[in-house]
Parts: sequence; structure tokens; C-alpha cells
Amino acid sequence: QVQLQESGPGLVKPSETLSLNCSVSGGSINNYYLNWIRQSPGKRLEWIGYVFYTGTTHYNPSFESRVTISVDTSRNQFSLNLKSVTAADTAVYYCARASLNPEVRYFDVWGRGSLVTVSS
Amino acid sequence: EIVLTQSPGTLSLSPGERATLSCRASQSVGSRFLAWYQQKPGQAPSLLIYGTSTRATGIPDRFSGSGAGTDFTLTISRLEPEDFAVYFCQQYSGSLPWTFGQGTKVEIK
Repeated sequence: QVQLQESGPGLVKPSETLSLNCSVSGGSINNYYLNWIRQSPGKRLEWIGYVFYTGTTHYNPSFESRVTISVDTSRNQFSLNLKSVTAADTAVYYCARASLNPEVRYFDVWGRGSLVTVSS
Repeated sequence: EIVLTQSPGTLSLSPGERATLSCRASQSVGSRFLAWYQQKPGQAPSLLIYGTSTRATGIPDRFSGSGAGTDFTLTISRLEPEDFAVYFCQQYSGSLPWTFGQGTKVEIK
């Protein structure tokens, strides 16, 4: 059974870069869109973007100027970098998988989430 | 960007009652590209329904989804204690960015 697990610092200072990893176990990362999604306290879920195992990415325009998502197929993991963070970036960050098939491109497997607080 | 608006924000019901949750899209998402997720406190969302009306593996048949275009509904026919949670709709049409509704909380009355 495929599992995703986020890891990274729980505290980031304002103006610095938030960096998280997502390790995938129990299956290959090939042939899926590998996504980052966040949930700010009391707010809706926001899709940040995805990476494909080839390295192709697509980002939400709301984050495009600050975000980089990359993949490491040798380690079966992918990463999120969000630069110039502010308190508004405080959220639980989830990694999630989506099928390439447009008919079933929902998020079928999620990590447990990683709380990142932006504070000095 | 397709904006999804869920209503009501909170639904106060008793176990055994029927819950009807609405998700309205700012533009058509077709008939097949709408999913529903359930989220319990401290947990990640988990998939309930995809393709508007198909239950995910292991989801009991008291959960059903319907709709098309811009109006979608999640119905829980008889609420069980474990169903009290927050529910999100999400569109995964060809129109990026993929977006979520703001959620409906189903709470015990």
C-alpha cells in the first residue's frame, strides 16, 4: 500500500525559504502527479502545484513566483520550496498523489501533513 | 480559476438523520471531475467520492454524490457517529488550478 510522508522544519523565519520533503513508500512515483497542498488554520485547502517524475511541473498562479517543486526518483521522493515566507504561509502542508488519467485525477493518497509555522 | 462554494458552512444534525451538502462551482466542471473528501480533526482529508458519484474503496453506501455542471450534492442517508467531520468538494477538471470548496462541518446537534 502506497504511503506518503512529509518531513521538514516546523518553524521558519519570515522572509526565509520553507522546505519540505515527501517520501513515497510502497510504490513507484512514476506515472503520477505528485502534489503539494496546504491548509491554513480555519481556511480552505489550497493546491500549490505538482511535479511529474520527468521533472515537469505546474504551479498554482497564486504561488508561481515563489514556489519550486522538484523530484528525486532515485530516492522516491519529491520536495517543496516556498521562498520569502510570511505569517500567511503558516499552514499544514500535505503531499498527495494524483493519477495521470484525467478521468480519475483526484487526490487518492495523502501524507499525514506537516505543520509549518512562520515566526521569528 | 474555478471557485467552489459549499453550503451550509455548518450542519447540526443528530445520528440517524440525513445530511445534504451542497457544492456550487463558478463555472462548469463537467459531470465527472468532482470529488468529495472527509476530514477529521488532526487528520488529512480522505477520499469519499470521485467522478461526482463513485464511492471510493471501502466507503459505505450511505454516502452518495450527484450533480453536474455547476451544482453538486453529497448526501449521507443516515448519519453514523463516525460521520461527524468536515467535508470538502474539489474539482479536477482540465481547468487548473485544481480547487477546493471551503468545507462544510457536520456536527452533532
